[in-house]
Amino acid sequence: AQSVTQLDSQVPVFEEAPVELRCNYSSSVSVYLFWYVQYPNQGLQLLLKYLSGSTLVKGINGFEAEFNKSQTSFHLRKPSVHISDTAEYFCAVDNTGGFKTIFGAGTRLFVKA
Amino acid sequence: GAVVSQHPSWVICKSGTSVKIECRSLDFQATTMFWYRQFPKQSLMLMATSNEGSKATYEQGVEKDKFLINHASLTLSTLTVTSAHPEDSSFYICSAFEGGGEDEQFFGPGTRLTVL
Repeated sequence: AQSVTQLDSQVPVFEEAPVELRCNYSSSVSVYLFWYVQYPNQGLQLLLKYLSGSTLVKGINGFEAEFNKSQTSFHLRKPSVHISDTAEYFCAVDNTGGFKTIFGAGTRLFVKA
Repeated sequence: GAVVSQHPSWVICKSGTSVKIECRSLDFQATTMFWYRQFPKQSLMLMATSNEGSKATYEQGVEKDKFLINHASLTLSTLTVTSAHPEDSSFYICSAFEGGGEDEQFFGPGTRLTVL
């Protein structure tokens, strides 16, 4: 069985500061990994995904994530955040073939002026 | 990118009534659609997987007779909450899987259901 753990439920950070949102997963098979962002009362928007290849993945809005197989982690980073990055961020995993996605509990990123 | 719509975006209904939520893939054909439920400040929980032309596969603990799913075409799936009760109030989100090797789900904007 697969699972996803987002280690921080909330992350407050000042504008223009760097941020890292942590995600660890467990799976007995190869996985695909995703980060999604959700703004209030909206659906999910894909930030980035890791399917294979380079372990450093770049996404939209200046976000990037690094897949670390030995540590089973897929942490999301941004070097300088904006107020508009305030949202809920979900890490997700599914087995290769993508027919059952498991989501983490989410991390609320709150960017302060 | 591919667009998925949901209708309605929000609905308020009386206890005991049924509510239908539509999920449409606007610019691609979706062989598979997923229905999720999200409680306030919580993550998405997969309710069921819907394949065009066949019966939906429900996750453990999800009542099939309570949440009726119909995937009548490659661009439309519907979720009907039958005999809704206040505990069914939630945010329902669908996603559509395009396939073709990209393994990406495209999410709808969600439907806020409030049962009085």
